[in-house]
Amino acid sequence: GEDVEQSLFLSVREGDSSVINCTYTDSSSTYLYWYKQEPGAGLQLLTYIFSNMDMKQDQRLTVLLNKKDKHLSLRIADTQTGDSAIYFCAESMGPGYALNFGKGTSLLVTP
Amino acid sequence: GAGVSQTPSNKVTEKGKYVELRCDPISGHTALYWYRQSLGQGPEFLIYFQGTGAADDSGLPNDRFFAVRPEGSVSTLKIQRTERGDSAVYLCASSSRGTTGSDEQFFGPGTRLTVL
Repeated sequence: GEDVEQSLFLSVREGDSSVINCTYTDSSSTYLYWYKQEPGAGLQLLTYIFSNMDMKQDQRLTVLLNKKDKHLSLRIADTQTGDSAIYFCAESMGPGYALNFGKGTSLLVTP
Repeated sequence: GAGVSQTPSNKVTEKGKYVELRCDPISGHTALYWYRQSLGQGPEFLIYFQGTGAADDSGLPNDRFFAVRPEGSVSTLKIQRTERGDSAVYLCASSSRGTTGSDEQFFGPGTRLTVL
């Protein structure tokens, strides 16, 4: 499928904000997602944004979408050690379509 | 069960052997997806079922891979003549196949396949 690119690693101090970035190439993407993967656990959907939105906020999570630049970001406020995981950006054309994932960003939160 | 389950959790086989991987979706979910995740990569789509039929099998890498869902619930991914390059975590996801909203895909814990 089309490319979804993410930086591979991010390290932050506990209490700081984390920003994970993603770029995608498929202009027909309708939904953009952020998934979290912890060791030994399944992929967990954190949040998603529809392509006609610019921003979505859900508690400590803020998603920003720049459709013109095909750039998506996930901001985690007040990052905790429990937020350490791999975060995947994914895009799809909507219900019933496969998810196209990036390679994931490994977030390390240090005390 | 409450979530998607996959069995076995780990499978070690020898090159050339045949393997079957099983997925039990969330009860009532009509859509079922298989993905493959290699080390250090994101999941890659393999096949999507809507009910009993494969609606999209464009991600299957070659004809050694086949999947079935005969009663529209449990699905089995079958790999013939396994190769070392087939080693990966095989993920299954299901969704209610709603027509509105994000139709979230719920993922199982995966089956780790190792081909020696």
